[in-house]
Amino acid sequence: AQKVTQAQTEISVVEKEDVTLDCVYETRDTTYYLFWYKQPPSGELVFLIRRNSFDEQNEISGRYSWNFQKSTSSFNFTITASQVVDSAVYFCALSEDTGRRALTFGSGTRLQVQP
Amino acid sequence: EAQVTQNPRYLITVTGKKLTVTCSQNMNHEYMSWYRQDPGLGLRQIYYSMNVEVTDKGDVPEGYKVSRKEKRNFPLILESPSPNQTSLYFCASSFSLAGANTGELFFGEGSRLTVL
Repeated sequence: AQKVTQAQTEISVVEKEDVTLDCVYETRDTTYYLFWYKQPPSGELVFLIRRNSFDEQNEISGRYSWNFQKSTSSFNFTITASQVVDSAVYFCALSEDTGRRALTFGSGTRLQVQP
Repeated sequence: EAQVTQNPRYLITVTGKKLTVTCSQNMNHEYMSWYRQDPGLGLRQIYYSMNVEVTDKGDVPEGYKVSRKEKRNFPLILESPSPNQTSLYFCASSFSLAGANTGELFFGEGSRLTVL
């Protein structure tokens, strides 16, 4: 069975600080996909990144970066120079390579960025 | 604009009163799915559909029904809602090529349902 663990329930930082959100996953599949979604206070789910299990390259997109390490089954997300608009709940998710394409979500990390 | 549209966005109802949450996507996606979000549990899949007339259960299907008569629509039906179905519901869709996991899931804006 698949499992995603986001051990940090809530993180509070001051604007301009860097912050890393941890994600650890479990799966027996050799092919799988990892995602990060952002859920701002308005409630919608915003797609941030998708990574397949064969691509361990780290990715940077503006102030966002992701570190995928298969050896430790982790897919961590770092926000550099955080801003108040980054305040949201962030979900890490894992998808098996089947037609069902169910996303197994972590319980989420609430990030509060104080001005 | 590519989007997944859910209605209603907010609903308060009473136990046992049948209700339907509609979901429509304009991206010609084959794959659609319903999730519910509860505090501390993340999102859990209720039902999914690989294509028209093809639906199957997710992780938490009890108390729900779905149908997929048209490609763009995937309504979620609660025949006899109960208080434990109070939740935030999300519909999602994705492009699918021969069943392969080819794309990200696009989510609707969510429907907050309260069953008294």
